[in-house]
Amino acid sequence: DIQMTQSPSSLSASVGDRVTITCRASQSISSYLNWYQQKPGKAPKLLIYAASSLQSGVPSRFSGSGSGTDFTLTISSLQPEDFATYYCQQSYSTITFGQGTRLEIK
Amino acid sequence: EVQLVESGGGLVQPGGSLRLSCAASGFTVSSNYMSWVRQAPGKGLEWVSVIYSGGSTYYADSVKGRFTISRDNSKNTLYLQMNSLRAEDTAVYYCARARTTVVVYFDYWGQGTLVTVSS
Repeated sequence: DIQMTQSPSSLSASVGDRVTITCRASQSISSYLNWYQQKPGKAPKLLIYAASSLQSGVPSRFSGSGSGTDFTLTISSLQPEDFATYYCQQSYSTITFGQGTRLEIK
Repeated sequence: EVQLVESGGGLVQPGGSLRLSCAASGFTVSSNYMSWVRQAPGKGLEWVSVIYSGGSTYYADSVKGRFTISRDNSKNTLYLQMNSLRAEDTAVYYCARARTTVVVYFDYWGQGTLVTVSS
């Protein structure tokens, strides 16, 4: 299986900050990469699909980039509702997720 | 409005069985790829199984031979039959609709149902 490694595992930031989360695949996955946000006790929510396509209804402060093995999720200006855990997911082969990045309030 | 509602979770002894259900509304289960994804307490997400619109099914190695995914088209409902349950199967189980443009991604999720395997 393709291993997905996210960094950092946790991150402290303030409202208004620009934040970048990285996801690295153990082999090339082209653009077969998606990003999700999960809040405690809730189901994950799709943010970005195919590395850079914004899901309908998701604020434009979220953006994704990358291809091959290295991908990033960027939040341009953190809002209070953005503090959550973020997961990447690949579908190039058997679906796997990254271990998650917990974004906390500084 | 698309909705997914899981049920059937609970406490079961090791070696036991449980069937999870996921009732869908707002779209047709049989016309979509549908998956189960689980999350152990305090842990990350793990893909479990998928059923394609054509009926093909696939499983994670960790559940292959023990779990069976199926659907009832007349009830617009997805199922996960779980047999020979182990402590490591303890998790919240989510059903999710999978979209398959080029990549496969999960655009709608249920609220999850907790399965606890313990004696």
